[in-house]
Amino acid sequence: DSGVTQTPKHLITATGQRVTLRCSPRSGDLSVYWYQQSLDQGLQFLIQYYNGEERAKGNILERFSAQQFPDLHSELNLSSLELGDSALYFCASSPTAGGNNEQFFGPGTRLTVL
Amino acid sequence: GESVGLHLPTLSVQEGDNSIINCAYSNSASDYFIWYKQESGKGPQFIIDIRSNMDKRQGQRVTVLLNKTVKHLSLQIAATQPGDSAVYFCAQKGIRNTGFQKLVFGTGTRLLVSP
Repeated sequence: DSGVTQTPKHLITATGQRVTLRCSPRSGDLSVYWYQQSLDQGLQFLIQYYNGEERAKGNILERFSAQQFPDLHSELNLSSLELGDSALYFCASSPTAGGNNEQFFGPGTRLTVL
Repeated sequence: GESVGLHLPTLSVQEGDNSIINCAYSNSASDYFIWYKQESGKGPQFIIDIRSNMDKRQGQRVTVLLNKTVKHLSLQIAATQPGDSAVYFCAQKGIRNTGFQKLVFGTGTRLLVSP
């Protein structure tokens, strides 16, 4: 158990809908990262937040957005869902924003768009 | 993209054998590399890391070798056990000496251990 929690574990929805994925980092970690893992693209970095502020952006679509709250939990919002958004979404956390720190991954949310 | 996940190469070994999983990385400016293990239905789990000022690092039953000349990383698992069966990913930190912690993941290798 990494100490990172994600809810829900599974999510099934329809195209065009909007969903919110939630992540709680390990106690004391200030950075949260979101990744997408799909069959044809592997693990892709989406976005990083540090202490409430967006720190870095990766391959995140405009239909997707995220935020980190004062209690450091984070939410990833996916809107206008398409079939191709079906994937595993992982959250990871680390103590700081920089440096060579290990990222601890949560168990993931499996999103299925029908 | 910087990482792909089309077809996972598979390494099949017998229990007790030593396993070697290889990874070629793209960014020569990276100064930090990590190996992750991902079991079915779970998130990636940290195994071992290495900084670019080292060429070898050992953990418990695992050794990581870094060859910066040819941009190659390998993970050696000694006395492989059925519980080691998983997909193994190498990852490199995107940019040297910045606060940017973007991890770029390799393709992944599936390790199958037969009893």
